Amino acid sequence: AQSVSQHNHHVILSEAASLELGCNYSYGGTVNLFWYVQYPGQHLQLLLKYFSGDPLVKGIKGFEAEFIKSKFSFNLRKPSVQWSDTAEYFCAVIRFYNQGGKLIFGQGTELSVKP
Amino acid sequence: DTAVSQTPKYLVTQMGNDKSIKCEQNLGHDTMYWYKQDSKKFLKIMFSYNNKELIINETVPNRFSPKSPDKAHLNLHINSLELGDSAVYFCASSQAASNYGYTFGSGTRLTVV
Repeated sequence: AQSVSQHNHHVILSEAASLELGCNYSYGGTVNLFWYVQYPGQHLQLLLKYFSGDPLVKGIKGFEAEFIKSKFSFNLRKPSVQWSDTAEYFCAVIRFYNQGGKLIFGQGTELSVKP
Repeated sequence: DTAVSQTPKYLVTQMGNDKSIKCEQNLGHDTMYWYKQDSKKFLKIMFSYNNKELIINETVPNRFSPKSPDKAHLNLHINSLELGDSAVYFCASSQAASNYGYTFGSGTRLTVV
């Protein structure tokens, strides 16, 4: 079965520190990968996505992710975090059916940034 | 101009009651979804409808019944609510066969007491 694993349950950083959140998926075919962010009490927002092409994907708010096919990974990075980045981060992979797709989420990583 | 709107935002009810959550999207998408987020923040798909047709039905108790009167609406009715149903329920939409990901609603926090 297709699954997504996020290695870190809770990450605590100080402002200006660099961030890398791990994500691995288990699926051998073509994948479409996403990172979503959920700020406290809010809905999920798309940070970035990868379908094909350049494996280094840039998203909103200074985030980027790198798709490494050989490692089945899609890690999220940001060179310098801010207090406002405190949120829950979800990696997801989409599995397509004839009439649509199903987003399968990882367990989520809670990021706490200390001012 | 909310793209995916859910009502109500909060719902507190007693065990055994029946309740509904409504969802509407104005993006012109033809596929809509219900996701459940548990207390550990884990998100799991429950249902998916494409053009009013049910296409994904995960292992969800049959007390949960989705209804899609048209492709812009997907409602969720829950019978005989149980304590374990307490969660945040997110509606989402997408364009079928699109790679653009989903647009999520703001969620409905259901608390069963």
